[in-house]
Amino acid sequence: GEKVEQHESTLSVREGDSAVINCTYTDTASSYFPWYKQEAGKSLHFVIDIRSNVDRKQSQRLIVLLDKKAKRFSLHITATQPEDSAIYFCAASKMGTNTGKLTFGDGTVLTVKP
Amino acid sequence: DPKIIQKPKYLVAVTGSEKILICEQYLGHNAMYWYRQSAKKPLEFMFSYSYQKLMDNQTASSRFQPQSSKKNHLDLQITALKPDDSATYFCASSQTGGSAETLYFGSGTRLTVL
Repeated sequence: GEKVEQHESTLSVREGDSAVINCTYTDTASSYFPWYKQEAGKSLHFVIDIRSNVDRKQSQRLIVLLDKKAKRFSLHITATQPEDSAIYFCAASKMGTNTGKLTFGDGTVLTVKP
Repeated sequence: DPKIIQKPKYLVAVTGSEKILICEQYLGHNAMYWYRQSAKKPLEFMFSYSYQKLMDNQTASSRFQPQSSKKNHLDLQITALKPDDSATYFCASSQTGGSAETLYFGSGTRLTVL
């Protein structure tokens, strides 16, 4: 089955700097790649996603890049703020399977220092 | 107001006992899921239901049984509990259960099996 590896288990940046979290996946059939954020003591919520028909997507300070050849995708958070501190999870799924199953990475603990 | 309610928030059980984890969603969604997050593994897909029908089951053990009494309910019954079942169990929902839908997560039930 699909495996998603999240390369940074922890990441610490200064406020205003950029943060990059990298993930790789194994199944070439995967075509949908969402990111979720979990703040301390809270549940996960969706932040951004990318589908395999594009290689870049931006939503305000969040940019997701997808390299299908390398089976790699990444989340870039620009101009980081302390409230960006959280655990970020990447995930992958196959479109068209209609099961709603996401395979998650282990999570990256991002700390933004003032 | 939380739109996905999970009860209880914390649960302590003894080995061999049976517990039911409750999940209700008020987002008007037709698909619901259970995921498990333990210390040793990443967030792991367990079940998905769409329109009260089982779509996918990735849980090897029959000790885990989802129960859908209403469209907006998906409870999880766990029998013959083991210490390895200790984890946080997250309920989630999405519009219809398609493969590229945003999941909305509840706040989780943290289960500890002694």
